[in-house]
Amino acid sequence: EVQLLESGGGLVQPGGSLRLSCAASGFTFSSYAMSWVRQAPGKGLEWVSAISGSGGSTYYADSVKGRFTISRDKSKKTLYLQMNSLRAEDTAVYYCAKDLGFYGSGSAELDYWGQGTLVTVSP
Amino acid sequence: QAGLTQPPSVSKGLRQTATLTCTGDNNNIDNQGAAWLQQHQGHPPKLLSYRNNDRPSGVSERFSASRSGNTASLTITGLQPEDEADYYCLAWDSRLSAYVFGTGTKVTVL
Repeated sequence: EVQLLESGGGLVQPGGSLRLSCAASGFTFSSYAMSWVRQAPGKGLEWVSAISGSGGSTYYADSVKGRFTISRDKSKKTLYLQMNSLRAEDTAVYYCAKDLGFYGSGSAELDYWGQGTLVTVSP
Repeated sequence: QAGLTQPPSVSKGLRQTATLTCTGDNNNIDNQGAAWLQQHQGHPPKLLSYRNNDRPSGVSERFSASRSGNTASLTITGLQPEDEADYYCLAWDSRLSAYVFGTGTKVTVL
């Protein structure tokens, strides 16, 4: 059974940093691209970042480019999102999601999702 | 970053048919197709349809997806109370090198 468990959310001040983690199990982690998707309170889904199965290719939404970094650890079967220079508008539930494909690009079929972790950016 | 356009809401009666649309352009839907996801309040999204319009295992046959040019559609037949949810389309945009979500449609079953 595929399981994705996010952690690392919490309250952080504007300008601060936070690192989210997503522990994966139930599938061959390195064979699939992974994504982070967020949802601000009462709003729709917003894709944040994706990484290929090998970790060699990464993709970012314009809204987080230069501030967030996605990475993955094959041995720990864990996906990460390092978030720096956080802003109030980054407040959201952050989901990690498994992609159907390996490369990330050209796929955008997120077939398994975690329960999400809440990030609140406030003074 | 441009997204995909969906109507904000659709309301239909019990056992009726609802058709949801998702409009993009030739950099995303026309080129790559679109997946569909369902999200109930307070829960993570669930994949309903792959880009090739096939359904994942376990998804009801009442959900069917299609595409024509720049527009993807999701049809829900025989609407049930449990179909009340938000529905999102998702595609890869080759010009942006990014995933793009639709704006979301809230389905209400009357």
